[in-house]
Amino acid sequence: IHVTQSPSSLSASIGDRVTITCRTSQGVKKDLAWFQQKPGRAPQLLISGASTLESGVPSRFSGSGSGTYFTLTINSLQPEDLATYYCLQVYNYPSTFGPGTRVDIK
Amino acid sequence: DVQLVESGGGLVQPGGSLRLSCEGSGFIFSDYYMDWVRQAPGKGLEWIGRIRNKPANYRTEYGASVRGKFTILRDDSRNSVFLQLNSLIVDDTAVYYCVRSSFKYLSHWGQGTLVTVSS
Repeated sequence: IHVTQSPSSLSASIGDRVTITCRTSQGVKKDLAWFQQKPGRAPQLLISGASTLESGVPSRFSGSGSGTYFTLTINSLQPEDLATYYCLQVYNYPSTFGPGTRVDIK
Repeated sequence: DVQLVESGGGLVQPGGSLRLSCEGSGFIFSDYYMDWVRQAPGKGLEWIGRIRNKPANYRTEYGASVRGKFTILRDDSRNSVFLQLNSLIVDDTAVYYCVRSSFKYLSHWGQGTLVTVSS
């Protein structure tokens, strides 16, 4: 299953609402996760099952979608949200990551 | 707290082999599926593979680019999972992450170990 993300990068201001899109080449139901990777750090799981926020993840993060179209939204962007965001389909093997979306702060 | 500590990375010549190790603590290691993910310098994430637990017969899955070249093993008595890397090429240069899976999802990540393939 091929996974795409858009945009590849974006720049937004503090307090902005940011939306990242992930598309899969085949339907994956809701078997999709979102990860945040800050510079020089290991990735962190933000959202599983397309929309379930992991424990400890700020509520400004949310996910939605099913089938082939998914979104990650950051409400009220914060300075610490500077990172690259990846989606991952786990519907079937091999699991496949999207290419990533880099989020910069203006 | 869940901790995963990788080791075994380093410089290896093209065509060489390397075995990475990952020791888990803070959880019942034998209960979980374990994955490996890699990231080439300045690039995105690539899922390498998974080894299931004993109830699932330790079955493994691999990504297309590493199938037949890399092997995932585990030793539950040592709370450890291993990644055997063979026939290495320059494009295998990457940080290799050990990851614990929870209900299909890659929930806990180690800090990674760098493998550099160069002559």
